[in-house]
Amino acid sequence: GDSVTQMEGPVTLSEEACLTINCTYTATGYPSLFWYVQYPGEGLQLLLKATKADDKGSNKGFEATYRKETTSFHLEKGSVQVSDSAVYFCALTPNPSNFGNEKLTFGTGTRLTIIP
Amino acid sequence: KAGVTQTPRYLIKTRGQQVTLSCSPISGHRSVSWYQQTPGQGLQFLFEYFSETQRNKGNFPGRFSGRQFSNSRSEMNVSTLELGDSALYLCASSSGLDETQYFGPGTRLLVL
Repeated sequence: GDSVTQMEGPVTLSEEACLTINCTYTATGYPSLFWYVQYPGEGLQLLLKATKADDKGSNKGFEATYRKETTSFHLEKGSVQVSDSAVYFCALTPNPSNFGNEKLTFGTGTRLTIIP
Repeated sequence: KAGVTQTPRYLIKTRGQQVTLSCSPISGHRSVSWYQQTPGQGLQFLFEYFSETQRNKGNFPGRFSGRQFSNSRSEMNVSTLELGDSALYLCASSSGLDETQYFGPGTRLLVL
């Protein structure tokens, strides 16, 4: 079945440092890929997504590129802020042409803490 | 446009009781999915409804059930609660036009 493997945390960085959170996946066909963020006591917020190979999703300074050849979707940010402290989840849904199968498969999450 | 809303936000029950959680999707969204989040198992898919029909179901016992109404609002029910059912239950909606799901704030259930 589909699976997502995510970089183990926790990750602690100083403000303005560069961030990379690794994510690789196993799936048949061409899944859609997502990064969600969860702040303390809240639900999940969609951070960015990519639906086909070589697509780059971006939002709030975060970026991730859909790499079919390495089955990866690593999250990057050039300069993190204290407000970026949260838990980040990589996720996929199956081939979008399989309409009706929108189940999200999540990684285990990576807790990120940014120190001033 | 208002986001996904879930009620109640917090709930405390005792073993053996049953509970019903409610989810109102984003206006116009016809698909509603439910997920369970626990520290040990992470985020796990429960089921998905589209136009009042269950389209997908995760690997949970029959004590977990759901339904969707004609206005797309959804409820999930857990009967005969167990301590292990303590979790954050998240609802997500999508338009059905693409696969992007938008999540509500969740209902935190504590079973004593």
